Amino acid sequence: DVKVTQSSRYLVKRTGEKVFLECVQDMDHENMFWYRQDPGLGLRLIYFSYDVKMKEKGDIPEGYSVSREKKERFSLILESASTNQTSMYLCASNPGTGVRFFGPGTRLTVT
Amino acid sequence: DQQVKQNSPSLSVQEGRISILNCDYTNSMFDYFLWYKKYPAEGPTFLISISSIKDKNEDGRFTVFLNKSAKHLSLHIVPSQPGDSAVYFCAARGGNAGNMLTFGGGTRLMVKP
Repeated sequence: DVKVTQSSRYLVKRTGEKVFLECVQDMDHENMFWYRQDPGLGLRLIYFSYDVKMKEKGDIPEGYSVSREKKERFSLILESASTNQTSMYLCASNPGTGVRFFGPGTRLTVT
Repeated sequence: DQQVKQNSPSLSVQEGRISILNCDYTNSMFDYFLWYKKYPAEGPTFLISISSIKDKNEDGRFTVFLNKSAKHLSLHIVPSQPGDSAVYFCAARGGNAGNMLTFGGGTRLMVKP
């Protein structure tokens, strides 16, 4: 069974704070992804990574950065959190094409 | 501009009846389509997929139909069960996005006992 874990289920941060969201997968997948889910907008891709130290921008990268120092770990960083970054954040991985395996999500509230 | 759309934000169905969830897309280069199911406070889980070379794929109670000429796909759940109550996302792969998936906005299905 593929397992994708995220460090926190719920987070509350203040505007301007630096926020780290961690994701770990245990299936040696090359690809890892960060999405955010907002009502009516579905899942939107923030960043993805094909390999260690590789990163590519997704559809909405502004205000975010990522780090992939190890194959199993992909971190999402909010450099200076803002209220419009309040959302559900979902990490996913896959070994090639198609099906992504998702983590349980982190609901981030920025006040 | 949303390339994948789920025009019904919610759907309510009686237990035992058929649930039909719809998805429309605009990019004719999409070659693979997936449906994900999401419960509250959980990540989406893969449900069923279909390649653009097929027009139907079935897995137990779940069937996905693809109409390429209409750029439309649908997910049928028969019979619907209360445990099917969740948000359903369709997703498409291909086109300019290559391996990336483009997701629809989701449809919340409520199956009433």
